[in-house]
Amino acid sequence: NAGVTQTPKFRVLKTGQSMTLLCAQDMNHEYMYWYRQDPGMGLRLIHYSVGEGTTAKGEVPDGYNVSRLKKQNFLLGLESAAPSQTSVYFCASNPGAGAISSSYNEQFFGPGTRLTVL
Amino acid sequence: GENVEQHPSTLSVQEGDSAVIKCTYSDSASNYFPWYKQELGKRPQLIIDIRSNVGEKKDQRIAVTLNKTAKHFSLHITETQPEDSAVYFCAAKDDYKLSFGAGTTVTVRA
Repeated sequence: NAGVTQTPKFRVLKTGQSMTLLCAQDMNHEYMYWYRQDPGMGLRLIHYSVGEGTTAKGEVPDGYNVSRLKKQNFLLGLESAAPSQTSVYFCASNPGAGAISSSYNEQFFGPGTRLTVL
Repeated sequence: GENVEQHPSTLSVQEGDSAVIKCTYSDSASNYFPWYKQELGKRPQLIIDIRSNVGEKKDQRIAVTLNKTAKHFSLHITETQPEDSAVYFCAAKDDYKLSFGAGTTVTVRA
């Protein structure tokens, strides 16, 4: 099991460029999440998904779009990058409310993507 | 939505002493409270969690307490060691998602 993986690990963009971050999980989890982490601000939820084909806004969704076309993948897109989007991005997954496992509440995090927008 | 506040933001303790981090939450519907440890450049790792129907949980040197009435929960680390130095985050879960505190940077002095 690879768990939760993220691609790429690092990226530098110029203002106005676009990019997509890929999150993949091989644990058959229903729920997936995208967070950004900035110094002194903890983890803030950008968007999340509670199943294939569904997405919902989190705390800081502006400037980002997401898609969940396949259960194992959750994509985060930046259409026109801004310096304020410089951050470390973490993806996470969770088994979901219907899971039998005792860890149905636990979120499993990916290794993170460090994004710099110049 | 849920609002989680965490204190203190930094904590320095002598090796062998105890460390306590406190969090409050706003949504009485929150039912799951995990604590994560994050080392520099790494992903957050779950270290202990507690559900709303439990008041206290212990795992070796770490323990978590929950007071639902007051809407606060705390992390206790006893006999601190240098490897406990990290950033610790509390979180509260309502429905599908977690809301995180801003984090506490713990430094254990040798």
